[in-house]
Amino acid sequence: AQKVTQAQTEISVVEKEDVTLDCVYETRDTTYYLFWYKQPPSGELVFLIRRNSFDEQNEISGRYSWNFQKSTSSFNFTITASQVVDSAVYFCALSEAGGSEKLVFGKGTKLTVNP
Amino acid sequence: EADIYQTPRYLVIGTGKKITLECSQTMGHDKMYWYQQDPGMELHLIHYSYGVNSTEKGDLSSESTVSRIRTEHFPLTLESARPSHTSQYLCASSDLLGQGDNEQFFGPGTRLTVL
Repeated sequence: AQKVTQAQTEISVVEKEDVTLDCVYETRDTTYYLFWYKQPPSGELVFLIRRNSFDEQNEISGRYSWNFQKSTSSFNFTITASQVVDSAVYFCALSEAGGSEKLVFGKGTKLTVNP
Repeated sequence: EADIYQTPRYLVIGTGKKITLECSQTMGHDKMYWYQQDPGMELHLIHYSYGVNSTEKGDLSSESTVSRIRTEHFPLTLESARPSHTSQYLCASSDLLGQGDNEQFFGPGTRLTVL
């Protein structure tokens, strides 16, 4: 069965600090996809990134970066120089290939960035 | 920016009432999903659809029902609301093409409270 674990329930940092959100996944599929979503207080989920199981290259997008390591089944997300607007709940999710494309979500990490 | 809409955004209703949560998308996506999210908790898939006249139950058992008569519309109905149905309901859509790698676009959610 697929499972996503986000061990950090809540993280609080001061603005401009770097912060890493951890995500560990379990799957028996050899082909799968990993996602990160952001849920601000307004409630909607905002897509941040998608990564397939064959692409272990790290990715950087502005202040955001992602570290995918199949050896440890982890897909961690780092925010550099955090800002107050980064405050939200962040969800890591896993999707199987060739099926219904259902997303299995972790429980989320609530990030609070204080000024 | 995703064009997926949910109404109402907030609903407070008494026990026993029949309710329908609306979800519409203008992106022409074939796949649509309903997730249930309790406060501070992960999202659980309760229904999904591959296209018109296709509906499937998700991983979390739900007393709600859905229909897909038009591509753009995926309403969710509760015949008799109960306090245990109090939750946030999120609708999402994605393209049919792909093998699990298409991101899902989420609506703003409906926060339902049953008294």
